[in-house]
Amino acid sequence: DAGVIQSPRHEVTEMGQEVTLRCKPISGHDYLFWYRQTMMRGLELLIYFNNNVPIDDSGMPEDRFSAKMPNASFSTLKIQPSEPRDSAVYFCASSLGGAIYFGEGSWLTVV
Amino acid sequence: DAKTTQPPSMDCAEGRAANLPCNHSTISGNEYVYWYRQIHSQGPQYIIHGLKNNETNEMASLIITEDRKSSTLILPHATLRDTAVYYCIVRASTGTASKLTFGTGTRLQVTL
Repeated sequence: DAGVIQSPRHEVTEMGQEVTLRCKPISGHDYLFWYRQTMMRGLELLIYFNNNVPIDDSGMPEDRFSAKMPNASFSTLKIQPSEPRDSAVYFCASSLGGAIYFGEGSWLTVV
Repeated sequence: DAKTTQPPSMDCAEGRAANLPCNHSTISGNEYVYWYRQIHSQGPQYIIHGLKNNETNEMASLIITEDRKSSTLILPHATLRDTAVYYCIVRASTGTASKLTFGTGTRLQVTL
C-alpha cells in the first residue's frame, strides 16, 4: 500500500502567488482530510470530505483557501493569493471511517 | 469531541516501558480513544485505538479504565526511535464528529 501521497513535498513561493497542493488518498478510503500545522497553532483541521463531498470546512481560515475533491483518488488545496502567514506544513489524510492515515506533508514557505 | 488532558513531557530510558497517561473524563459512550504519534518532520502516525476493552498490536498496548475516563498507552520496550509527540484523541466513529482534533500531546524523550 502506497499510503497517502502528497505533492509537492516542499514549495517556496512569493507572496501573492497561487499555491496548489495535491493529495492522493489511500485507495478505497472514503474520508479525506486536510490539516495544517504551525508552531503557534499546532495541528488544525481545515476541511474534510466524505465520498468526495465536503462535510465540514469550518477550519478553512478565509476565502483565499479552497479545496476540491473531483474524484475519489484526488484532492487539491489551493491558496490564492498566498501570504507569508500561510507558511506551514499541510497534511492530507484519509480513512475508511476508522483510523486516519496521514501523508508526509507539503512544506510551504511564502516569502 | 471530548477534550483530553496529557502531561506535556515525559522521559523514558531505552529498553524500559513507556507509560503515557491520558485523561478523558467527559468521553461519551460512542467515542473511541485513539493514539497517534508524530516524529519530528513526519506526518502523524496511527498507533492504536479502543472503545472499552484493552487493545494490543505490534506497536503498543492501550489500557482503558473501566469507567473509560482515562487510558494509558504502553510502549513495552522503548527505543530512541520512539522519541516523538504522542497524541491522545477521543473521537466518534462515524458522521460529522468523525474528524480528529489534536491537542498538544505528550513529548516523549527516550534516552540512553
